[in-house]
Amino acid sequence: TQLLEQSPQFLSIQEGENLTVYCNSSSVFSSLQWYRQEPGEGPVLLVTVVTGGEVKKLKRLTFQFGDARKDSSLHITAAQTGDTGLYLCAGGDNDYKLSFGAGTTVTVRA
Amino acid sequence: NAGVTQTPKFQVLKTGQSMTLQCAQDMNHEYMSWYRQDPGMGLRLIHYSVGAGITDQGEVPNGYNVSRSTTEDFPLRLLSAAPSQTSVYFCASSKGGHGYTFGSGTRLTVV
Repeated sequence: TQLLEQSPQFLSIQEGENLTVYCNSSSVFSSLQWYRQEPGEGPVLLVTVVTGGEVKKLKRLTFQFGDARKDSSLHITAAQTGDTGLYLCAGGDNDYKLSFGAGTTVTVRA
Repeated sequence: NAGVTQTPKFQVLKTGQSMTLQCAQDMNHEYMSWYRQDPGMGLRLIHYSVGAGITDQGEVPNGYNVSRSTTEDFPLRLLSAAPSQTSVYFCASSKGGHGYTFGSGTRLTVV
């Protein structure tokens, strides 16, 4: 099992502030994915990154895959209350055997 | 498209009982997986399938069985429920290279 560590575990910020969530591993991944999960629902895929050093932007969300393909970060600019949720990173060599981090719970206060 | 459908949404079992969690997808995805989610532990892989007739064990397979007779369905069977199996169970499917589509989960309590 490939271990993914996410930090911080919890994050509470005011609306309009920026935040960054980290995902680190000692293993090299061929791809890394980020999901957001809301209470009572399943995780929803935000992005997949596959190339070392890759940066992907999704509106106010910026995802980066480390050069060595062992780590990733998720940065949210000008957070909104709708960004509240559990953010999960997942990595693996294929799409049927992913390892997940424990998640970062993000709370954006109005 | 309904995506990934899981039933039931909630279930309470007594220790020793057996049951089947249902999972169906209508996206013609070849890959399907079962995960359990426990507080502070993230999602852990129970069993997975890369196609009809092909299944394999994940990280925490003990106490669970699966089968995949069709592309669409991937049921998870609890053989003899134990309190340690109290969890939220998620089924997910993928077409490969496009990430998972998850169901909305089954919340299982074993008393």
